Amino acid sequence: GAGVSQSPRYKVTKRGQDVALRCDPISGHVSLYWYRQALGQGPEFLTYFNYEAQQDKSGLPNDRFSAERPEGSISTLTIQRTEQRDSAMYRCASSSATGAGELFFGEGSRLTVL
Amino acid sequence: GIQVEQSPPDLILQEGANSTLRCNFSDSVNNLQWFHQNPWGQLINLFYIPSGTKQNGRLSATTVATERYSLLYISSSQTTDSGVYFCAVSSGTYKYIFGTGTRLKVLA
Repeated sequence: GAGVSQSPRYKVTKRGQDVALRCDPISGHVSLYWYRQALGQGPEFLTYFNYEAQQDKSGLPNDRFSAERPEGSISTLTIQRTEQRDSAMYRCASSSATGAGELFFGEGSRLTVL
Repeated sequence: GIQVEQSPPDLILQEGANSTLRCNFSDSVNNLQWFHQNPWGQLINLFYIPSGTKQNGRLSATTVATERYSLLYISSSQTTDSGVYFCAVSSGTYKYIFGTGTRLKVLA
């Protein structure tokens, strides 16, 4: 696509529910990142994919968080048994380079856990 | 890990004024980007500038990698420039680290 596309843009869920956030990167981009941004803070790294391989998941807060990119394109970030502290903006970015290069971000998915 | 500090944390300008935003980083970097987060929350690419100087309209940026800082210049500011400006750096890896941002408000 022309840009990085994320869905849903807004998600309100109750504590304990599972949520799945989707990211469709720029066509042909090999690198895909997930970041989380709390209100008033800068984005914080969650995980990185090079094609379909998840090369770094060191930023995932705990085992309730997981991500996949099975065909090296679209990625899904899943949060199980959501908690109020999971409320944040979740941002996806892609890059044409293997290893950094210029990142392009989507519009983000705003998650609110009640 | 690498530390990224941005200054000033907050800035209020009258429309038409010029400003300089600074990004200091604690280690050598091979990737550096400036972003503008607009009031709607979108993160917009301004510059990919690991070294040197670039200009785009009223905006320009300079990175002096050997001295571990980057500057973003905004000239003739407009109300649409309001938002948060982030510097993000990567040091030899794929992982970008973001600064805490400079919150800019331009008054009409």
